[in-house]
Amino acid sequence: RKEVEQDPGPFNVPEGATVAFNCTYSNSASQSFFWYRQDCRKEPKLLMSVYSSGNEDGRFTAQLNRASQYISLLIRDSKLSDSATYLCVVYSWGKLQFGAGTQVVVTP
Amino acid sequence: NAGVMQNPRHLVRRRGQEARLRCSPMKGHSHVYWYRQLPEEGLKFMVYLQKENIIDESGMPKERFSAEFPKEGPSILRIQQVVRGDSAAYFCASSPEQGVERIDTQYFGPGTRLTVL
Repeated sequence: RKEVEQDPGPFNVPEGATVAFNCTYSNSASQSFFWYRQDCRKEPKLLMSVYSSGNEDGRFTAQLNRASQYISLLIRDSKLSDSATYLCVVYSWGKLQFGAGTQVVVTP
Repeated sequence: NAGVMQNPRHLVRRRGQEARLRCSPMKGHSHVYWYRQLPEEGLKFMVYLQKENIIDESGMPKERFSAEFPKEGPSILRIQQVVRGDSAAYFCASSPEQGVERIDTQYFGPGTRLTVL
């Protein structure tokens, strides 16, 4: 079983729509959680940290459910520039563990 | 403040040759991490280093791969006798000392794309 599992997609989203996806992780002792974004296999860039209380950053909302060991990301009012691969990332003792990514394609 | 720097950006080697990948962390960062991304796969942790010390190398293949982060100069990921399966993107990341920023925040370099012919 993979340590971090994500639906690979692609999620095809009309511009302006809302899209949500999540991931699950296997290590209950994981310490912190993130969503990264990767464009065309360039370097991953931190999108946001994820907290149990839920947190927002503009059009992006992230949520962590420790009991069920899943993390979600919701994107509102999708823009063409949101097209990317979104990486669910879990931090444990010095190393980041990445999911394989969820591809999002925003169409005009 | 320059970000994490990696060179070369692209590296082509023939089977059996050696590959050396370099990473200079962000200014003030003393923790360096190497990750590998195989085609169509996610990033996989390889090794975590601090100056002159290997902290965690649990993701490193047992043979042919080594990493160092000397007191002076960049971190080096060295792959000896490369094989076609080593073709991948190799990303380096760095993080600051705990207390300066969150230690779990890692900043990534642009990667080195290794192609083995």
